[in-house]
Order: sequence, then structure tokens, then C-alpha cells
Amino acid sequence: DTEVTQTPKHLVMGMTNKKSLKCEQHMGHRAMYWYKQKAKKPPELMFVYSYEKLSINESVPSRFSPECPNSSLLNLHLHALQPEDSALYLCASSGGTDTQYFGPGTRLTVL
Amino acid sequence: RKEVEQDPGPFNVPEGATVAFNCTYSNSASQSFFWYRQDCRKEPKLLMSVYSSGNEDGRFTAQLNRASQYISLLIRDSKLSDSATYLCVVNPTSGTYKYIFGTGTRLKVLA
Repeated sequence: DTEVTQTPKHLVMGMTNKKSLKCEQHMGHRAMYWYKQKAKKPPELMFVYSYEKLSINESVPSRFSPECPNSSLLNLHLHALQPEDSALYLCASSGGTDTQYFGPGTRLTVL
Repeated sequence: RKEVEQDPGPFNVPEGATVAFNCTYSNSASQSFFWYRQDCRKEPKLLMSVYSSGNEDGRFTAQLNRASQYISLLIRDSKLSDSATYLCVVNPTSGTYKYIFGTGTRLKVLA
């Protein structure tokens, strides 16, 4: 089973709201990723967790806060977002530095 | 020069045609190479990993040319359902989780 799940599928939030995106995988993968994707652009890396520790932060604004509660779960906490943060947020996992598997994404709209 | 470059297309081809995409990469030490397919408003899905010896999966053939630093994807007998964006992904360094995405090549297969 190569499934990565994400919730919610869609999210609409105001600029003062606090919300969280969730991601789960049960493949025993040690690396989990958050990507942001705008229309007609490739995914853009935000964060990487390796063995539950943050290993890459691509200079993402602090209004995005990742959390890895355990090896299967990855959260992205959102606070005081801007309309330009509206995008598809993709979670992915990999066993090592080999194939990445993507979740279906959360389509986020910030009003 | 971009780390990973693809022709954005679109490639408009009739059903049954053979179409080929190339993707060039700048880091000669790159270790892992992948083709992903992404449908509109969906997540990227792994199409093929690309191995040094080349690999084939049904109508799809992937090749790696290390000397010229490019990978290719050949689609034979194109189907309408092959219409999608094809993303080239490179892992430039062994042991890193920082995958580099090409901009994607759009393919439209026409009836």
C-alpha cells in the first residue's frame, strides 16, 4: 500500500484564523514532506522531516508551522495567512532518498 | 541555468502517436531520477523511476543519459487518458531529501 492521506481536502480560512492540515502514512517511511503548489507551477518544497526531526526548512514564513507528532503523522499549522498563500498543499513521504509518494493534497483558500 | 529543465509544451499529439519528452539536469552527481504524472488539480503520481539501464513499463519507456545529463520519457500509442503534465524529478545528491522538480511538460492527446 503506497497511500498517503491528507485532511481536509478543501479549506477556506480568513486571515485571522488558525487551522491545521494533517497528513498520515503507514508505509514505515522515515521522511515526510510538505510542498506548496500554485497553478501551472511545480511543487515547491517547504519542509522535510527525517526520523521525526525537522531537517529542511526552505525559509518558509513563520505563519506556517510544521509538526511531526510521530513517524506516521505530519501536521502543518496555519496562522495569520495571506491571500497569496492560497494554493494546493501536498504532503509526501519516502523511505529514504528514493521514490516519493504524494497525498491528494489540501486545496487552501485564504480570504 | 536551472537545475532541472523541461520544455513546458504543450505537446498536442493525435491519438496513437509516439511522443518523447526530455529533461536536462545540471548536477552531474545526481543520483535518482523520476517521472511523475500530474492531472489537473490532482497530486503528482509516480509514473516511473529512471535507471541507468533504462526501463520500460508497457507503452512508457524511460532512459537516462549521464554523459549528456538528461532523462527522457517515450510514450507510444498515445491515449486520450495520457493527457496530463509530466514532471521530471531529480535527487541531486545522495542522502539529501531535497528533490528538484522540473517545471513540467503538458501533453494533450487529441481525438
